[in-house]
Amino acid sequence: EVQLLESGGGLVQPGGSLRLSCTASGFTFSTYGMSWVRQAPGKGLEWVSGINGGGENTYYGDSVKGRFTISRDNSKNTLYLQMNSLRVGDTAVYYCAKRSRLPDAGPFDIWGQGTMVTVST
Amino acid sequence: DIQMTQSPSTLSASVGDRVTITCRASQSIRSWLAWYQQKPGKAPKLLIYKASSLEGGVPSRFSGSESGTEFTLAISSLQPDDIATYYCQQYNSYPLTFGGGTKVEIK
Repeated sequence: EVQLLESGGGLVQPGGSLRLSCTASGFTFSTYGMSWVRQAPGKGLEWVSGINGGGENTYYGDSVKGRFTISRDNSKNTLYLQMNSLRVGDTAVYYCAKRSRLPDAGPFDIWGQGTMVTVST
Repeated sequence: DIQMTQSPSTLSASVGDRVTITCRASQSIRSWLAWYQQKPGKAPKLLIYKASSLEGGVPSRFSGSESGTEFTLAISSLQPDDIATYYCQQYNSYPLTFGGGTKVEIK
């Protein structure tokens, strides 16, 4: 079964850091682009960051550029999001999502269940 | 960045009604447009890709169409299970962008 499982969410103070992980199974992880998408409480979906299958190309939304870093370890079938200088506005459910077409194209056909990140004092 | 403008933000209709949701891109995205359905507390689910292609397992009452930079999701006969929020997304280029969402309710 194709599956994505996020972990690493939690409560952190403003200015703090957190690393999210997303473990993939059921498909050849290294050949697909992956992204992080977040959803603030009661709000819509916001694309955060993306990475191609080999990890050479990374992309960021303006709201997280310079603070977040996306990476992947294909030997462990795992996607990461390192989040630094966290702000209250980063509070959201964070989803990892798989792109449907090789090498880094198509919509998101598989999503994880999400992990909650709360930035608060 | 490509802006996706989705309307309406909420929609109330009766079971059996035909409903339509519109999404407009700020520039050409060719046909690289997807529609997702999200139910409360759940991850989004892909319904339509490449503007009008139905994802496997999605009921045929869902359909997509396009006209230039305007895209439409239609539900031919609204069912109680269709109560959800729907999002469009362009995947023509980074940064990938979503529409603001349309919440569909039963009247």
